[in-house]
Amino acid sequence: TQLLEQSPQFLSIQEGENLTVYCNSSSVFSSLQWYRQEPGEGPVLLVTVVTGGEVKKLKRLTFQFGDARKDSSLHITAAQPGDTGLYLCAGAGLWSGGSNYKLTFGKGTLLTVNP
Amino acid sequence: KAGVTQTPRYLIKTRGQQVTLSCSPISGHRSVSWYQQTPGQGLQFLFEYFSETQRNKGNFPGRFSGRQFSNSRSEMNVSTLELGDSALYLCASTHGRGGPTGELFFGEGSRLTVL
Repeated sequence: TQLLEQSPQFLSIQEGENLTVYCNSSSVFSSLQWYRQEPGEGPVLLVTVVTGGEVKKLKRLTFQFGDARKDSSLHITAAQPGDTGLYLCAGAGLWSGGSNYKLTFGKGTLLTVNP
Repeated sequence: KAGVTQTPRYLIKTRGQQVTLSCSPISGHRSVSWYQQTPGQGLQFLFEYFSETQRNKGNFPGRFSGRQFSNSRSEMNVSTLELGDSALYLCASTHGRGGPTGELFFGEGSRLTVL
């Protein structure tokens, strides 16, 4: 069973601060996605990383996939209240004996950015 | 184009009853997945349907079932409701080609409360 552990579970910071959230597993994933879920909404994809060591930037958000493709991090620079939400990582792996992929989600990091 | 639509958005049931939730995917998407989201367990995969066939299934009891129609719309049913079934049920659609980088497009969810 592939499990993804996210840390921290909760994070409350002031506007302008930097933060990093982590997504770790003992399993290797073919790709890793990060989603953000705002209250009353479904998750929305932020980024997909595929190659070990890959770094992607999305404005103030920087995503990194670990060299061994077992872990990932999300760094936010100068956080803003609009960054508030639940950040979910999801790893893609093949179904046992199958040829299509399943996404395993972590439990998420609930981020609150106070003005 | 229109997003994923889930109905109803909110519902309250009592133990022992059954419930049917509906999901209309994005036009052209042939895969529909269902997830249960709770604060304690996070996002847990229920099942995926592709071209009217269940392609993958998570570790949920047989009380949870689903189906997909020829127009790709999907329904899930939970019979003999238990208190622990209270959750946000999310539907996600994708083109269904099965690769490791496919984006899931989520609906806003159906919030089920079991009393």
